[in-house]
Amino acid sequence: EIVMTQSPGTLSVSPGERATLSCRASQSISRNLAWYQQRPGQAPRLLIYAASTRATGVPARFSGGGSGTEFTLTISSLQSEDFVVYYCQQYDNWPKTFGQGTKVEIK
Amino acid sequence: EVQLVESGGGLVQSGGSLRLSCAASGFTLRSHKMSWVRQAPGKGLEWVARIKEDGNEKHYVDSVEGRFTISRDNGKNLLFLQMNNLGAEDTAVYYCARDLNWIDPWGQGAQVTVSS
Repeated sequence: EIVMTQSPGTLSVSPGERATLSCRASQSISRNLAWYQQRPGQAPRLLIYAASTRATGVPARFSGGGSGTEFTLTISSLQSEDFVVYYCQQYDNWPKTFGQGTKVEIK
Repeated sequence: EVQLVESGGGLVQSGGSLRLSCAASGFTLRSHKMSWVRQAPGKGLEWVARIKEDGNEKHYVDSVEGRFTISRDNGKNLLFLQMNNLGAEDTAVYYCARDLNWIDPWGQGAQVTVSS
């Protein structure tokens, strides 16, 4: 099983600033990585797939990068609705696995 | 609008069974792999099971292998998850998911609570 490790667990950022979230895979997954956003009490929402392709309707302030074992999600200028939890997920191998999540909180 | 709506969740005793259903609309179910993903209270996400388009190939995470069965009725646009011999560790919100390798969209979730 591929283990996905996200860092940090909690990221404190001021509104309007840039946030960079990291995700590491225990083995190479090429670019087979997705990112999701989850608001409290809601289902996750797809943000990014294929490491860097934004899903339909996702604002341009969200961008993804990386390949192999190291990936990042960058939010260029944090808006109030962005202070929630983010998960990465690999789909290179079964079982598909998620990171443990990064909570972005207001500094 | 592409939509997934789960039903069938609830409270069940340890060792009991429950069947979740998911109604798909806004897309052709038979053209897509489908999956179930769960989230235990205050925890992260776990991919539970997936089924290919024609229902002939299924995969399960080790923790549910032999206890859970995923199935589908493409004619009725329905996805199912039969859960047997439930334990406290199965308490979670269960999400129905269109499986594009990534998930999009997610259903709103069905709460399953296993009491001892």
